[in-house]
Amino acid sequence: RKEVEQDPGPFNVPEGATVAFNCTYSNSASQSFFWYRQDCRKEPKLLMSVYSSGNEDGRFTAQLNRASQYISLLIRDSKLSDSATYLCVVKPYNQGGKLIFGQGTELSVKP
Amino acid sequence: GAVVSQHPSWVICKSGTSVKIECRSLDFQATTMFWYRQFPKQSLMLMATSNEGSKATYEQGVEKDKFLINHASLTLSTLTVTSAHPEDSSFYICSARDASLDTEYEQYFGPGTRLTVT
Repeated sequence: RKEVEQDPGPFNVPEGATVAFNCTYSNSASQSFFWYRQDCRKEPKLLMSVYSSGNEDGRFTAQLNRASQYISLLIRDSKLSDSATYLCVVKPYNQGGKLIFGQGTELSVKP
Repeated sequence: GAVVSQHPSWVICKSGTSVKIECRSLDFQATTMFWYRQFPKQSLMLMATSNEGSKATYEQGVEKDKFLINHASLTLSTLTVTSAHPEDSSFYICSARDASLDTEYEQYFGPGTRLTVT
C-alpha cells in the first residue's frame, strides 16, 4: 500500500466549477500535511498547509481528518490557471523533515 | 522567499557517462538537502537525505554507489549519476531545508534538472 494515495484523475472541469480532491495516508504518526501544486515540467510549489481545524485561502479550502487519515482540497470557482497537478504531501514525525508525496491529481479546467 | 537553484536545468548524456547535478541555496544556509526523482506521470520519490558534513542517507532501493551525493558546504549539495543508463532518465529535484526556521515552510525546492540518457 502506498504511504500517500490520491486519485490520479484527470479531472476535467469547466471554468467556475467546484472540484474536490481527496487523499489518504497510511502512517498515523505523520506530523504535518500539505497540498502542493506542480505545473508541467516544473518543481512543486507549496499551495497550503492542512490543519485539523480546516483552513481556507481564497478559493482553496483544505481539511484534515486525523482519525480517518484523510486529507481534502476544495477549489471553488475554478480558473483556467488552476490547471495543474495537485500533490498531497505528508511529513512524518521525527524523520528529519523528509516529505512523502502522493501520486498527484491532475486537474484540467476548460473554458 | 528563499531561493534554491539547480544546475544544469537539463542535460543529455550518453549511456555509460556520469552526470553531476548541483543544488544551491542562494540566500540561506541549508543544513539538510533532499534529492528527489520523478518519472513521467509519477510522484516525486525521495532518493536520499543529505546533511552537511556527513554521509547521505539513502532510501531503500536507491544505490548509493550509483547516485553519489556530496554536501560539502551549507549552500551546496551535488548529485552525481554514475554510469548513467537510459532508465536513469528522469526529473531530478532537490530541496533545501532552512534549519534556522522552525516552521513547516522551511523546505524549498529547486527548479529541477531533466536528465535524458541516450
